Amino acid sequence: GENVEQHPSTLSVQEGDSAVIKCTYSDSASNYFPWYKQELGKGPQLIIDIRSNVGEKKDQRIAVTLNKTAKHFSLHITETQPEDSAVYFCAASLAGNQFYFGTGTSLTVIP
Amino acid sequence: DTGVSQNPRHKITKRGQNVTFRCDPISEHNRLYWYRQTLGQGPEFLTYFQNEAQLEKSRLLSDRFSAERPKGSFSTLEIQRTEQGDSAMYLCASSTQGQGTEAFFGQGTRLTVV
Repeated sequence: GENVEQHPSTLSVQEGDSAVIKCTYSDSASNYFPWYKQELGKGPQLIIDIRSNVGEKKDQRIAVTLNKTAKHFSLHITETQPEDSAVYFCAASLAGNQFYFGTGTSLTVIP
Repeated sequence: DTGVSQNPRHKITKRGQNVTFRCDPISEHNRLYWYRQTLGQGPEFLTYFQNEAQLEKSRLLSDRFSAERPKGSFSTLEIQRTEQGDSAMYLCASSTQGQGTEAFFGQGTRLTVV
């Protein structure tokens, strides 16, 4: 089955700086890669996603890049704000049949 | 609120008791997923339905676990003879069928087995 690895496990940045979280996947057939933000005691919230036919996608301060050849994808958050502090999960999926999640990155934005 | 709804939000039960959780997906979504999440880990897949058909089950889903989606709308997840190792957050998500369709999660049910 698919194996998703995520790094780093914790990340601290100063407010206004950028944050980058990286994931790798093992199954080259995976074609959909969402990112979720999870706050304490809540369910994961979808923040951005990318499909295998696209190399990059941006939504305001958040961007995701995908390198299919290397089988890795990354989340970029620019101009970080304290409310960006949360745990972020990457996931990989084949046609939405099931989602394989990384182990999460705890992001802390220091005011 | 038209998002995914899970009930109850919290459940404390004694070891050996049975528990049942309910998930109401987004109304037009025909796919429904159950995941389990323990502290510090990412969600782990348990099972998913397309309409009322249970299409895939993880090996994590032991014979004490059963999930149903009788009319293709809401779903229930039952755990029989609960064990302390079952303590976790149980998450439900829903999506529409097709490649690369977004899955939206509920707030989860936090189970504590004492």
